[in-house]
Amino acid sequence: AQSVAQPEDQVNVAEGNPLTVKCTYSVSGNPYLFWYVQYPNRGLQFLLKYITGDNLVKGSYGFEAEFNKSQTSFHLKKPSALVSDSALYFCAVRTEGFQKLVFGTGTRLLVSP
Amino acid sequence: SAVISQKPSRDICQRGTSLTIQCQVDSQVTMMFWYRQQPGQSLTLIATANQGSEATYESGFVIDKFPISRPNLTFSTLTVSNMSPEDSSIYLCSATIRHTNTGELFFGEGSRLTVL
Repeated sequence: AQSVAQPEDQVNVAEGNPLTVKCTYSVSGNPYLFWYVQYPNRGLQFLLKYITGDNLVKGSYGFEAEFNKSQTSFHLKKPSALVSDSALYFCAVRTEGFQKLVFGTGTRLLVSP
Repeated sequence: SAVISQKPSRDICQRGTSLTIQCQVDSQVTMMFWYRQQPGQSLTLIATANQGSEATYESGFVIDKFPISRPNLTFSTLTVSNMSPEDSSIYLCSATIRHTNTGELFFGEGSRLTVL
């Protein structure tokens, strides 16, 4: 079975500092990994994905994520946080040939001025 | 990317009534899904909407409570039947798009239902 863990309910960071939102996964087979962001009263927006290739993937709004197969992790990162990055972030996984995405529990990111 | 339109965006409903949510996608769709997001929670898959046939429901969700239709490739409806306060949630329509074969989902803005 596929599963995703986001160990932190909330991450606090000061504006201008680097941020990391953690995600680990468990799948049978090669993982397809995704990050989504949800702003208040909005749907989910796709940020980035890892399918194959470079372990560091770049996405929208300056975010990037690093795939680490040995640690089964896919942490979301940004070199310099903005107050406007404050939102709920979801990690998700699926495997090739399996269409359903499984979502983590979400991590709330709070960026203080 | 794709634009997914959902309506209503929000509604306040009375216990025992039913509400139908509509979802329209502006791109060529491969698959459509309905998710529920209860207050402060993650997303839970309700069902996969199948074109022209019965939806495929996840464990814990049944057709009598959440009937789903998908009469064509880009349109689907979800009905929440005989509502109770426990059904107060955000209901999200999502789809995978034909030209992206890597399975990222695109989401509508969600329908926020409050049941009194």
